[in-house]
Amino acid sequence: DVKVTQSSRYLVKRTGEKVFLECVQDMDHENMFWYRQDPGLGLRLIYFSYDVKMKEKGDIPEGYSVSREKKERFSLILESASTNQTSMYLCASSTRGRDTGELFFGEGSRLTVL
Amino acid sequence: LAKTTQPISMDSYEGQEVNITCSHNNIATNDYITWYQQFPSQGPRFIIQGYKTKVTNEVASLFIPADRKSSTLSLPRVSLSDTAVYYCLVGDLRGGSYIPTFGRGTSLIVHP
Repeated sequence: DVKVTQSSRYLVKRTGEKVFLECVQDMDHENMFWYRQDPGLGLRLIYFSYDVKMKEKGDIPEGYSVSREKKERFSLILESASTNQTSMYLCASSTRGRDTGELFFGEGSRLTVL
Repeated sequence: LAKTTQPISMDSYEGQEVNITCSHNNIATNDYITWYQQFPSQGPRFIIQGYKTKVTNEVASLFIPADRKSSTLSLPRVSLSDTAVYYCLVGDLRGGSYIPTFGRGTSLIVHP
């Protein structure tokens, strides 16, 4: 079975701190995605990557950056965390293809910025 | 820009059939329609995917009319454990990149 592992289920950080959220998938998937989920807003795409060292902005990239140095790992970085970045962050992966394919999600990382 | 529209919430009772309809008026010719289920504090998980007509698996059925501007997820004989948020998803092609775009989902509550 595909497994997508997010490094931390719960994090508490202070405003201005640099935050790293790590995501690792074990099925050699080309595509990886970072979403954030807030009550009433569904999932919103932050960044995605279709290959190593490749990244594309999603709908809400402001305040975030990403890194994909290896195929299996996709990191989300908050350079200077702010309270409005308190949210649930979800990583997903899928195989390359024109249709949606099946997205495999991690368990999520709930970040609280104080 | 492909978008989906779903009811915000639905209520049902155990043993009933639940149908959740999603509108996707601007779906592209070669887009698939995919549904996901999400429980609290978990990531969404794939339920079913289809292109046209009807698709059925062990969990649900997906009905897609000929014009493909909508789709209906059908859950037979729901139980309390089917209480979750259900997302309808179509692709969004931007500058040559294919992006899975989620809407706000439908919160289904199943009552005893």
